[in-house]
Amino acid sequence: GAVVSQHPSWVICKSGTSVKIECRSLDFQATTMFWYRQFPKQSLMLMATSNEGSKATYEQGVEKDKFLINHASLTLSTLTVTSAHPEDSSFYICSARPEVQETQYFGPGTRLLVL
Amino acid sequence: QKEVEQDPGPLSVPEGAIVSLNCTYSNSAFQYFMWYRQYSRKGPELLMYTYSSGNKEDGRFTAQVDKSSKYISLFIRDSQPSDSATYLCAQGGAGSYQLTFGKGTKLSVIP
Repeated sequence: GAVVSQHPSWVICKSGTSVKIECRSLDFQATTMFWYRQFPKQSLMLMATSNEGSKATYEQGVEKDKFLINHASLTLSTLTVTSAHPEDSSFYICSARPEVQETQYFGPGTRLLVL
Repeated sequence: QKEVEQDPGPLSVPEGAIVSLNCTYSNSAFQYFMWYRQYSRKGPELLMYTYSSGNKEDGRFTAQVDKSSKYISLFIRDSQPSDSATYLCAQGGAGSYQLTFGKGTKLSVIP
């Protein structure tokens, strides 16, 4: 149990385009989902926390207009990188927190390359 | 203030060795502790999830929490090359949905 999927697993796009990444909890409901970014050989960096049906809470330094997060249901959150630029190239990972647990289950990640 | 300290390594051991991975934390308010394993280019995988002090065992893995010294450990018995990965400790709870992660220890198990 406690499986989280992400789609796509990797994406290459041109500078200036927008990219949407989906995160789904497959076998549990997640009132809270998280989006992380990870650069090579570095630890996870929390970007934002999203609660179902409400606006996401962004960490300091993360542009909310650039990284749009929607958490429309208890099993789906999406991250849209708008007007992507090469510096947005990174590994994006989502996680989901089951309602009665204090832990998080992670998706497999999405590798984004902006040319 | 939330801080979790973890030696980044790298740590290299021969196959079959017992591995000890450690973290210290500063905030006692957060009383849930986790260990994640992350393979290269993959998302972290939850290995162990503990609340109380003491040991929790799952196969070759044992998680240990010592709240008096604010020290958490993960032991891996009979280590295998497939255990080669980065191991992240994490702390959570106290009504905060977020987790505080250590920086991760990179482990290599040499055949």
